[in-house]
Parts: sequence; structure tokens; C-alpha cells
Amino acid sequence: DAKTTQPPSMDCAEGRAANLPCNHSTISGNEYVYWYRQIHSQGPQYIIHGLKNNETNEMASLIITEDRKSSTLILPHATLRDTAVYYCIVRTIFNNDMRFGAGTRLTVKP
Amino acid sequence: GAGVSQSPSNKVTEKGKDVELRCDPISGHTALYWYRQSLGQGLEFLIYFQGNSAPDKSGLPSDRFSAERTGGSVSTLTIQRTQQEDSAVYLCASSLWQGAQETQYFGPGTRLLVL
Repeated sequence: DAKTTQPPSMDCAEGRAANLPCNHSTISGNEYVYWYRQIHSQGPQYIIHGLKNNETNEMASLIITEDRKSSTLILPHATLRDTAVYYCIVRTIFNNDMRFGAGTRLTVKP
Repeated sequence: GAGVSQSPSNKVTEKGKDVELRCDPISGHTALYWYRQSLGQGLEFLIYFQGNSAPDKSGLPSDRFSAERTGGSVSTLTIQRTQQEDSAVYLCASSLWQGAQETQYFGPGTRLLVL
């Protein structure tokens, strides 16, 4: 799996959009970009995934650059409950595990 | 619907004792994973079950760790002769294998403390 790089921490004001970047410059054509988050003392929670097109669901939007070397997770209206560690993962169908890195600790402030 | 459940939620044991951790995956999910998360760290893959195939045990840290999955559903992770470095949160995840687009759903974890 390609390695990902994320900032260790970010702050966001409540009600504003949170934009979490992820670099995956060594991504290959058959690797998907996944985002999970982990709220304190809970198991990771799936957010969204994509291959090359932008994706949107009820939780977030995923913007993948045309060269696929980076992506951004967007939480359109962050709430205090969105405070968590956010993990960006790239993976193929050929590996059996999710390789979670250190992630980005997002703190949403009132 | 019901998510992945794990039991116990917390386990305190003495060094050298054996422990069993249980995972109930989402009904119908054919794939099941065990991970370990030490304090402040990312997830460490342990073992993977898919249907009736032989499990992928490549992440098990030592032969003190073993896991089984009975009837393609419930799984038990066993740690024999526990050591203090085994203290961590043990997470289970399941998925409905969808080829290239597999989404894993995680349980709340079992917090193991070895004294």
C-alpha cells in the first residue's frame, strides 16, 4: 500500500468547514483512498472512500486531485462532535488489512 | 442494524495469565479482522478471516497469539501467557467483501491491561 502523509493536528471553528489534507504521492492505479475517524475511546468509523472521482455522502466530501497524489476530506459544517483523529488510508484489493498511520487530530472549537 | 460487538469491553489480567477476547461481526459479513492499538498509536493488523479460506495470520506478533472463527461468524482472539507489552486496545472489524471497495466496520474494542 502507498504511504500517506497527514498533518499531525488541525483546529477548526464550530460551524466552519474543516479541510483535512492527505498526501499519497506513490499511489498506484488500483489503490483506493479511504478516510476513517476515531473519536476518543471508540473504534474507527468509516467516513468515505474514492478512486479518482470526487465523492460526497451525508458525512463528508472527498476531493482527489487529478494526478491522485493528494486528497482532501471536507467536513462542510464542523461540530464539536467531529473532534477526532482522522485517518487517510490507501489500499489495494490485494492486501488484507488497513494500514492506519498516525492521522490528523482535528479539534473543533466553539 | 446491529454493529460489530466485542466483549469484554475491559479486561485486567495478571502477567502470565491467558485471556480470550470475543468479536461478534455484523450478520452476513464474510470478512473479519483483528487489530491492536497501543496508547496513542495507529492500528496494527493482527489476523484476517475471509469465508472458509485459511486465515491470514501474518500480523500476529508471536505464537502466544491465536484466533479462530467458528461457523463463519463469531471470532475469539486468545493471548496465552500475557505480557505487559500486550496491554492495548484490541479492535475487531468486519466487512462484506466487495472486491476493490471493501469497507470495514469496527467494534468498540476491548481494552486489555496486563499487570
